[in-house]
Amino acid sequence: KNQVEQSPQSLIILEGKNCTLQCNYTVSPFSNLRWYKQDTGRGPVSLTIMTFSENTKSNGRYTATLDADTKQSSLHITASQLSDSASYICVVSESSQAGTALIFGKGTTLSVSS
Amino acid sequence: EADIYQTPRYLVIGTGKKITLECSQTMGHDKMYWYQQDPGMELHLIHYSYGVNSTEKGDLSSESTVSRIRTEHFPLTLESARPSHTSQYLCASRRDSYNSPLHFGNGTRLTVT
Repeated sequence: KNQVEQSPQSLIILEGKNCTLQCNYTVSPFSNLRWYKQDTGRGPVSLTIMTFSENTKSNGRYTATLDADTKQSSLHITASQLSDSASYICVVSESSQAGTALIFGKGTTLSVSS
Repeated sequence: EADIYQTPRYLVIGTGKKITLECSQTMGHDKMYWYQQDPGMELHLIHYSYGVNSTEKGDLSSESTVSRIRTEHFPLTLESARPSHTSQYLCASRRDSYNSPLHFGNGTRLTVT
């Protein structure tokens, strides 16, 4: 069964600290993996996409990695800010002859405190 | 910011009432989706559309219905609301191209009493 597991479920860090969020998946055939950020009361917004051939990609203070062999991805946040407090959702795209399906993780809730 | 709008943001309604959740996008996207989101749970796809007059049910069984008469408009209707319909409903759209991201609205939080 196609699944996306995220850890930790929630995380509290001090402003200025770094953190890493994990995403493990069993989706096959794999097409791509995308990280979304969802602020409280808002819809998710795409942060970055990882395709099969990409190992690492940065978007400002966010750096995503992908290990397609072990089917793991991580999202590293550097020098956290209060505005980073949000839910981070990992979404894996499965692509087959039947079409494309998106498999969502449950998200990691990050709280950054001052 | 993506140009996709959902109304109302919050709705509290009694059991048995008919409701329509509105979703509109100004990006000209052909593909539109409705997701249900509960606290601590993953998003579940309940309906999708790949263009005008095209609608399909998603993975999660839902008593709601949708219509797609215009490209920009994708409303969701519940004929008779029940407490089990209490949830957050997110509308999304995307370009019909490989690897394009979903653009989400800010959701409608529905409470059925």
